[in-house]
Amino acid sequence: NAGVTQTPKFRVLKTGQSMTLLCAQDMNHEYMYWYRQDPGMGLRLIHYSVGEGTTAKGEVPDGYNVSRLKKQNFLLGLESAAPSQTSVYFCASSYNSEAFFGQGTRLTVV
Amino acid sequence: GESVGLHLPTLSVQEGDNSIINCAYSNSASDYFIWYKQESGKGPQFIIDIRSNMDKRQGQRVTVLLNKTVKHLSLQIAATQPGDSAVYFCAENTGGFKTIFGAGTRLFVKA
Repeated sequence: NAGVTQTPKFRVLKTGQSMTLLCAQDMNHEYMYWYRQDPGMGLRLIHYSVGEGTTAKGEVPDGYNVSRLKKQNFLLGLESAAPSQTSVYFCASSYNSEAFFGQGTRLTVV
Repeated sequence: GESVGLHLPTLSVQEGDNSIINCAYSNSASDYFIWYKQESGKGPQFIIDIRSNMDKRQGQRVTVLLNKTVKHLSLQIAATQPGDSAVYFCAENTGGFKTIFGAGTRLFVKA
């Protein structure tokens, strides 16, 4: 049972480039989330989804887009990366308030 | 959650001692609280939770205390072990799907 899997684990982007982070969960959870974690701060919610085909904005949605075409996958896109988006990104899924997290994606924008 | 700052609060304890990690939350409407543990290079992992209609909940070696009067949450770890070294986050939820995380406390366990 893999739980929550994020790909890639590391990525370096140049300013203005685009990329997609993939999150996959095999627990049949309805709810999925994307967070970012910056030094000295807790996790901040970017976007979330309450089910297949639905998405909603979190605390810090600007500069990101998401899609949930399949229940098990939640994609986070950066259309034009900026240095301020350098961070560690975590995906999570849940069936109630307890969330299960992936291992994280460390993204550096230069 | 905890007040956000540039530096993580740090707690250093001797192996075998008890640890107490504190958290002040901000929203009096929060009705569900969770403690997560994050080891280096890994995602946060659920430890224990508590609902607002309780003031204490115990797990294996961990106890969470909730004081709604002063909006304070604490995590107690009994007989702290080196494997407990990590960053601990408290999180609050007001219902729905938005969970607000605190900045975290780094726990060092000295052998």
